Amino acid sequence: DIQMTQSPSSLSASLGDRVTITCQASQDISNYLNWYQQKPGKAPKLLMYDASNLETGVPSRFSGSGSGTDFTFTINSLQPEDIATYYCQQYDNLPYSFGQGTKLEIK
Amino acid sequence: EVQLVESGGGLIQPGGSLRLSCAASGFTVSSNYMSWVRQAPGRGLEWVSVIYSGGSTYYADSVKGRFIISRDNSKNTLYLQMNSLRAEDTAVYYCARAHYYAGLFDFWGQGTLVTVSS
Repeated sequence: DIQMTQSPSSLSASLGDRVTITCQASQDISNYLNWYQQKPGKAPKLLMYDASNLETGVPSRFSGSGSGTDFTFTINSLQPEDIATYYCQQYDNLPYSFGQGTKLEIK
Repeated sequence: EVQLVESGGGLIQPGGSLRLSCAASGFTVSSNYMSWVRQAPGRGLEWVSVIYSGGSTYYADSVKGRFIISRDNSKNTLYLQMNSLRAEDTAVYYCARAHYYAGLFDFWGQGTLVTVSS
């Protein structure tokens, strides 16, 4: 099974900051990597797919990069509505697996 | 408008059974890949099971042999039959649609809570 290691597990940043989250796969997953946002008490929401493609309707301040085993997710100019937990997820192989999540808070 | 509405959660004793439903609207369940993903209280996301548009099914090792995913095309509804429930199955269960690739979850339901406790 593929293990996804996400860091940091929590992050405190100021409004307007650039925020970066990393995700590492235990083996090569090409670009089969998605990023989700989950707000408290809500279902996850797809933000990015295939490592670097923005889902329709998602603001352009969100971006992603990487391939193989190392991936990065960035929020440029943090907004109040971005406060949430973010998860990476691989779908190269079954069983699909998620990172442990990064909880983003306002400093 | 795409909608997924889960139901069937509740409190159940260890060893018991429960069937979750996920009613879809705005798209056809049988034409998409459909998964169940769960989240234990205060924990991260765990993929549970998928049914392909062709009918093939796959499970996480943690539920294999105990859970069964299925769908009713006439009702446009996805199901998860959960048997031999354990305390560690306690979680919010989400159904999720994957339209393009089986593991690319582009739409999620609001979730239903299953609590396994005596």
